[in-house]
Amino acid sequence: DSGVTQTPKHLITATGQRVTLRCSPRSGDLSVYWYQQSLDQGLQFLIQYYNGEERAKGNILERFSAQQFPDLHSELNLSSLELGDSALYFCASSVVPSENIQYFGAGTRLSVL
Amino acid sequence: GQQVMQIPQYQHVQEGEDFTTYCNSSTTLSNIQWYKQRPGGHPVFLIQLVKSGEVKKQKRLTFQFGEAKKNSSLHITATQTTDVGTYFCAGYSNYQLIWGAGTKLIIKP
Repeated sequence: DSGVTQTPKHLITATGQRVTLRCSPRSGDLSVYWYQQSLDQGLQFLIQYYNGEERAKGNILERFSAQQFPDLHSELNLSSLELGDSALYFCASSVVPSENIQYFGAGTRLSVL
Repeated sequence: GQQVMQIPQYQHVQEGEDFTTYCNSSTTLSNIQWYKQRPGGHPVFLIQLVKSGEVKKQKRLTFQFGEAKKNSSLHITATQTTDVGTYFCAGYSNYQLIWGAGTKLIIKP
């Protein structure tokens, strides 16, 4: 168990809908990262937060947004969902953003039908 | 932009054969990390290399960081079924962790 909690584990929804994925980092970790992994593909970095502030942005679509709350949990919001958004979404956390090991949650599997 | 190229994409081996995956960066890295993702699982940290020319071993796994800190390799000796999964390298440069595409290790039946 990595100590990073993601909910829900599975999500099935329809095109055009909006969903929210939730992540609780390891105790003491200030930085949160979101990744998208399509079937049998690599990890696509979406966005990073550190202590509530956006730190880095990757290939995140405009339809997607995220935030990190004062209690350090994070949410990833996906809107106007398309079939191609079906993927595994991972959250990871680290103590600090710089050069630190990332601990991954078990992921949320999103299926858009 | 900064890239970390990882090859091969797949490697099929017989159980007991060796396996190697390579990562090459377009820029000098502060460090490189290796992760393993089992089928159906999430990436799990294996090791971090920081020094130029560093070599670290974990049982049958040997990790190397190049002298120029631009390349790295992971070698597994005598693969076992428990080694199956995808191995990712991730290099740290300019305050970003840049991920390789991963190498999937498949054991032939």
